[in-house]
Amino acid sequence: ETGVTQTPRHLVMGMTNKKSLKCEQHLGHNAMYWYKQSAKKPLELMFVYSLEERVENNSVPSRFSPECPNSSHLFLHLHTLQPEDSALYLCASSGGGIADTQYFGPGTRLTVL
Amino acid sequence: AQSVSQHNHHVILSEAASLELGCNYSYGGTVNLFWYVQYPGQHLQLLLKYFSGDPLVKGIKGFEAEFIKSKFSFNLRKPSVQWSDTAEYFCAVGGGGADGLTFGKGTHLIIQP
Repeated sequence: ETGVTQTPRHLVMGMTNKKSLKCEQHLGHNAMYWYKQSAKKPLELMFVYSLEERVENNSVPSRFSPECPNSSHLFLHLHTLQPEDSALYLCASSGGGIADTQYFGPGTRLTVL
Repeated sequence: AQSVSQHNHHVILSEAASLELGCNYSYGGTVNLFWYVQYPGQHLQLLLKYFSGDPLVKGIKGFEAEFIKSKFSFNLRKPSVQWSDTAEYFCAVGGGGADGLTFGKGTHLIIQP
């Protein structure tokens, strides 16, 4: 399935590095999302963009900075992360309609050393 | 605040056994309910969803779920499981539109041949 793609699939970074995660959706959707999946915890919503405007930010630390330059692309910029930020970061998109389904990408497995 | 509770974190069944996975939610408004599945090495994908109408919802691969409003429940069922149903199953709730989803912790289902 290639509806939502994410790069890179794996990323190892030091606490002083700056890196970016990329998500691209090929479904013509209007809304895009970042979720974090940590071991033994539920998927946590981080950010929501609708029509390229950020509509939700779930008290995420400022070391995570999202960017949505257009309706097909979503980035998550990372800087000065902590080891506890190691997780699977999932991107999703939806049409934004009342009953629309969110479609997920394969995720980026992030390890912070 | 919204929340989702999945009662069974690990379930082991034999092939042809019947399956029921519990999901209870807490949500303050109009609710959309979802079951997602993650097969080993694959993306999260939608099994089924409820947003209005018939509370008994049928999904892919013979799965169904029943929305019981009075019990705040959306349990997933399958009358006869197969080895290929081995996966992680997630219940989620959202308000629709561009709302993000709130997920349960997931149930790891193992089907023994």
